[in-house]
Amino acid sequence: QVQLVESGGGVVQPGRSLRLSCAASGFTFSNYAMHWVRQAPGKGLEWVAVIWNDGSTKYYADSVKGRFTISRDNSKNTLYLQMNSLRAEDTAMYFCANEHFDIWGQGTMVTVSS
Amino acid sequence: EIVLTQSPGTLSLSPGERATLSCRASQSVSSSYLVWYQQKPGQAPRLLIYGASSRATGIPDRFSGSGSGTDFTLTISRLEPEDFAVYYCQQYGSSPYTFGQGTKLEIK
Repeated sequence: QVQLVESGGGVVQPGRSLRLSCAASGFTFSNYAMHWVRQAPGKGLEWVAVIWNDGSTKYYADSVKGRFTISRDNSKNTLYLQMNSLRAEDTAMYFCANEHFDIWGQGTMVTVSS
Repeated sequence: EIVLTQSPGTLSLSPGERATLSCRASQSVSSSYLVWYQQKPGQAPRLLIYGASSRATGIPDRFSGSGSGTDFTLTISRLEPEDFAVYYCQQYGSSPYTFGQGTKLEIK
C-alpha cells in the first residue's frame, strides 16, 4: 500500500548533525515533489523544506536555511534531510509528506539536548 | 511570507452541532493550494480538503471547505465524537509553505 516511513531520529547534542530518511512505497516516488514538515512538542505544524521530483529545485523555511539540506535518491525511493548545526529549537517530530500532502509518514522524533 | 491566521483558537461544541473554522491569509492565496488537515494526538496530520473545497479520498461529506483569495472556511455540518481534534489550514502556492496556528475543536 501507499506508505512513507521515516527513520533516523534520536537524541543529539547542540551543534551536531543528524540525517533523516523517508522510505516511500506504493506509488511512483520519482513523479512527485516531497516535503519535510516538523512539529515541536505541543506546538503547531511547521513546513521545513521541499524538493522537486527530479531534485532540480529545493526551497527551505528561513529557520533552517543554510543548516538543513533536503535531497532524494529516486533509485532507492528515499527522501533525506541532512540537519547540521542543530539547535534546541529544532527539537520536534519530523514528518515527510508527498507533493500534495495527501500521504504522510508517522514521523521520527529529533531531540536536541546536551 | 504568507501568514495564515486561524480563528477561533479553541472551539467548544457538542456532538451534532455545526462547526465553522476560519483561515485568513495576509495576502491572496491560490485556491488550488489551500488545504485543511485534521490532527489527533500522536498522529500525523490527515488531509481533509484540498484546492480549498474538494474533499480528500475517504473524507465524509459532513466536511466542506469554501473561500477564495484571503478568506477560507472549513465547515463540519454535524459533529461526530471522532471529529474533536486540532485543525490546520496550509498554503503551498508560495514558498515558504505556511501553516495556520491551528484551531482546537473540543467537546463542550
